[in-house]
Amino acid sequence: DGGITQSPKYLFRKEGQNVTLSCEQNLNHDAMYWYRQDPGQGLRLIYYSQIVNDFQKGDIAEGYSVSREKKESFPLTVTSAQKNPTAFYLCASSGLEGGRAQHFGDGTRLSIL
Amino acid sequence: EDKVVQSPLSLVVHEGDTVTLNCSYEVTNFRSLLWYKQEKKAPTFLFMLTSSGIEKKSGRLSSILDKKELFSILNITATQTGDSAIYLCAVVRDSNYQLIWGAGTKLIIKP
Repeated sequence: DGGITQSPKYLFRKEGQNVTLSCEQNLNHDAMYWYRQDPGQGLRLIYYSQIVNDFQKGDIAEGYSVSREKKESFPLTVTSAQKNPTAFYLCASSGLEGGRAQHFGDGTRLSIL
Repeated sequence: EDKVVQSPLSLVVHEGDTVTLNCSYEVTNFRSLLWYKQEKKAPTFLFMLTSSGIEKKSGRLSSILDKKELFSILNITATQTGDSAIYLCAVVRDSNYQLIWGAGTKLIIKP
């Protein structure tokens, strides 16, 4: 079945450590996105990519990095520069035509030890 | 500044009631409006609306868009406890691929 797979579901990070969240899709979507969601708040865009080897910063890109080497994959690295990384991270993808509805993975919950 | 405002922020009703959730927007270069349901994990896609006045329907859920007055509503009839969730509204801009998200409406259905 087509879909978006995020891993791991839960992740714990020590302070000063970089961690990478995985996002893979087999929907043949061109665009992929990373969001952060904090309790009681809406989704905030971290980075997005419309095409392989290209990506743009969203509203809260500081302390994060991404790569898009393959169409199917859009990993997010939470660096030690991100001072408040505890959150729920969601990856999404969409086509570039039509209404561009985004479809989401199940998310990764990141916590600081 | 582009924005999407949802109301109410939270709503508690009894099973069997009908609810109407609102989403108003001020977004340049509107392309489409999306509704999602979020329970404990990721948002699941409900509807995509691009044209005014055309109702989208799925079971007990329906939604309509008014591009003149810049709002959409999501109706849920004969609510069930399984409808309890956060309902998110988002607008897609035509100029880029970003969504402008509302803060969501938290709906609680009491048995």
